[in-house]
Amino acid sequence: GEDVEQSLFLSVREGDSSVINCTYTDSSSTYLYWYKQEPGAGLQLLTYIFSNMDMKQDQRLTVLLNKKDKHLSLRIADTQTGDSAIYFCAETLCPRAGNMLTFGGGTRLMVKP
Amino acid sequence: DAEITQSPRHKITETGRQVTLACHQTWNHNNMFWYRQDLGHGLRLIHYSYGVQDTNKGEVSDGYSVSRSNTEDLPLTLESAASSQTSVYFCASSGVAALSYNEQFFGPGTRLTVL
Repeated sequence: GEDVEQSLFLSVREGDSSVINCTYTDSSSTYLYWYKQEPGAGLQLLTYIFSNMDMKQDQRLTVLLNKKDKHLSLRIADTQTGDSAIYFCAETLCPRAGNMLTFGGGTRLMVKP
Repeated sequence: DAEITQSPRHKITETGRQVTLACHQTWNHNNMFWYRQDLGHGLRLIHYSYGVQDTNKGEVSDGYSVSRSNTEDLPLTLESAASSQTSVYFCASSGVAALSYNEQFFGPGTRLTVL
């Protein structure tokens, strides 16, 4: 079965880099996603990576995928107080067929000024 | 602008009552989903629909039902509310689109308390 795990909490200082980690169990996952949830709001897609990629960079965000270890990470460079939120990783087996996602429990990122 | 809305945003009800949470999207998306969010569990899928008249059970469907009579709406009904259904509920939608990664768009959530 599918299982996605994340650590619960991460605290960093403003300007430092943040690294949020995620492990998943289903090697058939085709797309892996990072969603951000700000207080009192729904989830918003931050970035995604296709399973045949090792790395994807998008401005301050770097996603690393280690398929052998089933490990996904999100690095946020120059972390700002506005990055404080809950970050969810998610996986899907078949994005075209209705995109059923399995979510991790979420990592709460706190950025201290 | 296209959007996805949920109502009410907050609801307090009593054990045993029937409750319906509304979800409305204006993207003309075929796929709609209901999740519940609980501490330590992330988001868990309750029900989903791939189009009008189509509904499917998710991971935690017991005690919930949905119906899809049009493209825009997927109401979630709690037949007889229980305290274990106190949670934050999110609706989401996605399209069968040119976007291969098929992003899900989330509503703002409904906080439900069952006393």
